Amino acid sequence: GAGVSQSPSNKVTEKGKDVELRCDPISGHTALYWYRQSLGQGLEFLIYFQGNSAPDKSGLPSDRFSAERTGGSVSTLTIQRTQQEDSAVYLCASSPTGDPTDTQYFGPGTRLTVL
Amino acid sequence: GENVEQHPSTLSVQEGDSAVIKCTYSDSASNYFPWYKQELGKRPQLIIDIRSNVGEKKDQRIAVTLNKTAKHFSLHITETQPEDSAVYFCAASHGYSTLTFGKGTMLLVSP
Repeated sequence: GAGVSQSPSNKVTEKGKDVELRCDPISGHTALYWYRQSLGQGLEFLIYFQGNSAPDKSGLPSDRFSAERTGGSVSTLTIQRTQQEDSAVYLCASSPTGDPTDTQYFGPGTRLTVL
Repeated sequence: GENVEQHPSTLSVQEGDSAVIKCTYSDSASNYFPWYKQELGKRPQLIIDIRSNVGEKKDQRIAVTLNKTAKHFSLHITETQPEDSAVYFCAASHGYSTLTFGKGTMLLVSP
């Protein structure tokens, strides 16, 4: 079946602009995660959605970052007033139930470059 | 919160040698420890995991060991092959937390 998809695959923007990154999880997966991957920094947790529960936003680095998940499926990560340090690969993952021991299935990522 | 340290950051071996990657964690309540492999330009994928009620788990050429007392766990790859070249991430979580990942180890296997 279809895996996790993300769009766009690459995004180049100018400092100060807003960007929106999209994630389509595997159909039926109730949990969705956003991570940021910077060179040498591993996978940095950003935000976690589980069903209809309030999202866990504990990983968002600043109030410029926000995310929503509509209808329990597609999610959008928004970065406002982008800064050069926001340049990274943004990865989305989904899992069947949100149990931490579920396998997380990752998307291909969106490479964001802020000039 | 949980903190996961991973070593080494890079590891170069000759084909056929063994490779060992080590991780330590800080939260004694953590009870689930997966390993993900990310090949160049591709997405991370789960390769093996271990839960705190076992000390070792094997799957063909890969194995993971867990020492709960010392709060560390390791990935062992035997008879390495060039296709094992990738970045490997360890992670830890307990029942009500999301995964905390280490910073990754780049494994290079030379023919």
